[in-house]
Amino acid sequence: DSGVTQTPKHLITATGQRVTLRCSPRSGDLSVYWYQQSLDQGLQFLIQYYNGEERAKGNILERFSAQQFPDLHSELNLSSLELGDSALYFCASSDRGGPYNEQFFGPGTRLTVL
Amino acid sequence: AQTVTQSQPEMSVQEAETVTLSCTYDTSESDYYLFWYKQPPSRQMILVIRQEAYKQQNATENRFSVNFQKAAKSFSLKISDSQLGDAAMYFCAYSRYGGSQGNLIFGKGTKLSVKP
Repeated sequence: DSGVTQTPKHLITATGQRVTLRCSPRSGDLSVYWYQQSLDQGLQFLIQYYNGEERAKGNILERFSAQQFPDLHSELNLSSLELGDSALYFCASSDRGGPYNEQFFGPGTRLTVL
Repeated sequence: AQTVTQSQPEMSVQEAETVTLSCTYDTSESDYYLFWYKQPPSRQMILVIRQEAYKQQNATENRFSVNFQKAAKSFSLKISDSQLGDAAMYFCAYSRYGGSQGNLIFGKGTKLSVKP
């Protein structure tokens, strides 16, 4: 158990819908990362937050958005869902934002878009 | 842009034997970090080993060691005395050095099977 929690574990929805994935980092970790794992694209970095502020942005679609709240939990919002958005979405946290700090991954949320 | 390539989609090893997984990367930076992550069937991502590019000495963690060849931009993982629990997907990853952005760039992964 990494100490990072993600809810829900599984999510099944239809095209065009909007969903919210939630992540609670390890106690004391200030940085949260979101990654998408799909068969086509592999593991891709989406976005990073550090202590409530956006720190880095990767291959995140405009239909996707995220935020980190004062209690440091984070939410990833996916809208106008397409079949290709079906993937495993990971959240990871570290105590600081730099690469020298180990990222601890949550168990992921499996999103299926029908 | 930095890229990470794992040329072996699948590998197989006999229990107790040694196996080496390959990884190459492309970057114009001189300092960076390299990682190997393990993803077992549970899908949990687990850090196996980390290498700082400015360190010449290869990292080791128990049965896991790396062969870091900076000039060749190669970063292979050696697993000694393979165990059934080592069966998993293994991902090589890169991260830039310094600054506050620690996002990882992953390779496509190598699926390792361990035969009893």
